Amino acid sequence: NAGVMQNPRHLVRRRGQEARLRCSPMKGHSHVYWYRQLPEEGLKFMVYLQKENIIDESGMPKERFSAEFPKEGPSILRIQQVVRGDSAAYFCASSTREGPINQPQHFGDGTRLSIL
Amino acid sequence: AQKVTQAQTEISVVEKEDVTLDCVYETRDTTYYLFWYKQPPSGELVFLIRRNSFDEQNEISGRYSWNFQKSTSSFNFTITASQVVDSAVYFCALSEAMQGAQKLVFGQGTRLTINP
Repeated sequence: NAGVMQNPRHLVRRRGQEARLRCSPMKGHSHVYWYRQLPEEGLKFMVYLQKENIIDESGMPKERFSAEFPKEGPSILRIQQVVRGDSAAYFCASSTREGPINQPQHFGDGTRLSIL
Repeated sequence: AQKVTQAQTEISVVEKEDVTLDCVYETRDTTYYLFWYKQPPSGELVFLIRRNSFDEQNEISGRYSWNFQKSTSSFNFTITASQVVDSAVYFCALSEAMQGAQKLVFGQGTRLTINP
């Protein structure tokens, strides 16, 4: 499968624990985006990363959330001390670039995070 | 600020009917992209189309067609001869086209149910 790979598909955590969500972009893609989808809502942008750089984190909550995209390995979205309100589907998307324009973002299947 | 409005929260039609999903957008950018994504009950996001702001030609792909009207800031999506497999939530989205984050701004989605 050459698509965007996210794991785990489902993640259950208790309040106060940490959640780590992983995203491997499509082969050849160097741009990664994270979005959050709350129940019955559309997707909201969280963060945009390129290898080893955070380009735009304007949609990321200021506390408890962090993201990285290391030189080697997948992108990680980390949520510390989770609360019930963090329950959502978290989608990762990747794209490449032709000239000055990013190409369409292709999405992974998402990680459904449930907080008990 | 960019905004996408999908006024139809839910639509239900009988199989073989034609159905149009509305999308209205707001942006101050003169150059931008518009997208449609499909989210079937299994939850993944499927890319359907990308349109840039300079290309107002309507597009047809099989039973799907898109009507881009810059004068009314609309990018509507029509499914002809609908089928049960078209049942899904459909999202319209907008992104700037200049260098930078190119994050997607999504509408709230329209839940389409095709009844046999």
